[in-house]
Amino acid sequence: GAGVSQSPSNKVTEKGKDVELRCDPISGHTALYWYRQSLGQGLEFLIYFQGNSAPDKSGLPSDRFSAERTGGSVSTLTIQRTQQEDSAVYLCASSLEGSRVEYGYTFGSGTRLTVV
Amino acid sequence: AQKVTQAQTEISVVEKEDVTLDCVYETRDTTYYLFWYKQPPSGELVFLIRRNSFDEQNEISGRYSWNFQKSTSSFNFTITASQVVDSAVYFCALSEGTGNQFYFGTGTSLTVIP
Repeated sequence: GAGVSQSPSNKVTEKGKDVELRCDPISGHTALYWYRQSLGQGLEFLIYFQGNSAPDKSGLPSDRFSAERTGGSVSTLTIQRTQQEDSAVYLCASSLEGSRVEYGYTFGSGTRLTVV
Repeated sequence: AQKVTQAQTEISVVEKEDVTLDCVYETRDTTYYLFWYKQPPSGELVFLIRRNSFDEQNEISGRYSWNFQKSTSSFNFTITASQVVDSAVYFCALSEGTGNQFYFGTGTSLTVIP
């Protein structure tokens, strides 16, 4: 696609339920990132996928968070047993392999998650 | 410690005024890149500019200009003759030569009042 596509754009869920957030990166971009933006905060790194390499999960805040990337393209971020502190905007970004450091990412519009 | 600090949380200016957004960074790498992104109400982060650590030339693009000073570890962003459409949250970010992530500041929310 022309840009990074994220769905849903908004999600309201009850505390304790599981949610899945989807990211469709730019075609051909091998690197995919998830970030979390909480109210009044900067962007918090969650996880990074690069090609067929093992993902860098160092930013995941707890074991309730997991992500996968199928076929080197679409990625799903799953949050189990959601808590109110999980409420945030979850941003996905992609980049060409080897160019991230220099050229940065292309971001999606994010999924606004509200846990009630 | 914060690698990128944007001390200004919110700024309001009247249309046509100039405004400078501050960014201070911290890194031990000799090769690194600095970025500014704009996040309008729609939520998507829009890339504005990238500078590498070896190029301290200031840059001007239309009403936007950037002042990169390694001596003070700062990468400030100035909007000249601000317009209502400039209202957004602006993020400064650092990308180091190693590692997999950007380090973002907490953002500066700019409101331009007509």
